[in-house]
Amino acid sequence: IAGITQAPTSQILAAGRRMTLRCTQDMRHNAMYWYRQDLGLGLRLIHYSNTAGTTGKGEVPDGYSVSRANTDDFPLTLASAVPSQTSVYFCASSHKNTGELFFGEGSRLTVL
Amino acid sequence: GQNIDQPTEMTATEGAIVQINCTYQTSGFNGLFWYQQHAGEAPTFLSYNVLDGLEEKGRFSSFLSRSKGYSYLLLKELQMKDSASYLCAVRDSNYQLIWGAGTKLIIKP
Repeated sequence: IAGITQAPTSQILAAGRRMTLRCTQDMRHNAMYWYRQDLGLGLRLIHYSNTAGTTGKGEVPDGYSVSRANTDDFPLTLASAVPSQTSVYFCASSHKNTGELFFGEGSRLTVL
Repeated sequence: GQNIDQPTEMTATEGAIVQINCTYQTSGFNGLFWYQQHAGEAPTFLSYNVLDGLEEKGRFSSFLSRSKGYSYLLLKELQMKDSASYLCAVRDSNYQLIWGAGTKLIIKP
């Protein structure tokens, strides 16, 4: 079934640890995004990539990094996790940066 | 700054009609999206408006007035499964999506 796969679905992490959230899509979409969703706030863009080989910073990029080595994969790395990074993280993709977004199922991250 | 406003929560009765409003102030406009998000799940696409007027899709309709910076999502013949959060998002001049905090819709029998 075509779509976006995120892993892990849930993780508890000690502060200071490094963590990579994985995201893979098989729809051959050019654009991919990482959002975080916190209670009472709208989805906030962390990083995005309009095409393989390019990335850009979103609204809340500090403490996060991404790479886009190929069309399908867009991992998000927390170099040294802090409690304020406790959130639900959604990966999304779209055919072009003007199209509708398709979301993965989310990764719930708790940093203690 | 850029801002999307939606009511935090609404309650409606099964079988009734509900209108969820969204007002926006963004730097430029390249379309408005509505997404549905059930608790614990990912958002899913409902509608897209880029021109003024009403777009109808089954029980759901979405309206846009660009001059007023206003949109609404109209849900008819409400069903219990419509209990969810409804997210309004505007694509700005840089083609980035600005998201509202969402409206939690509670359907009562």
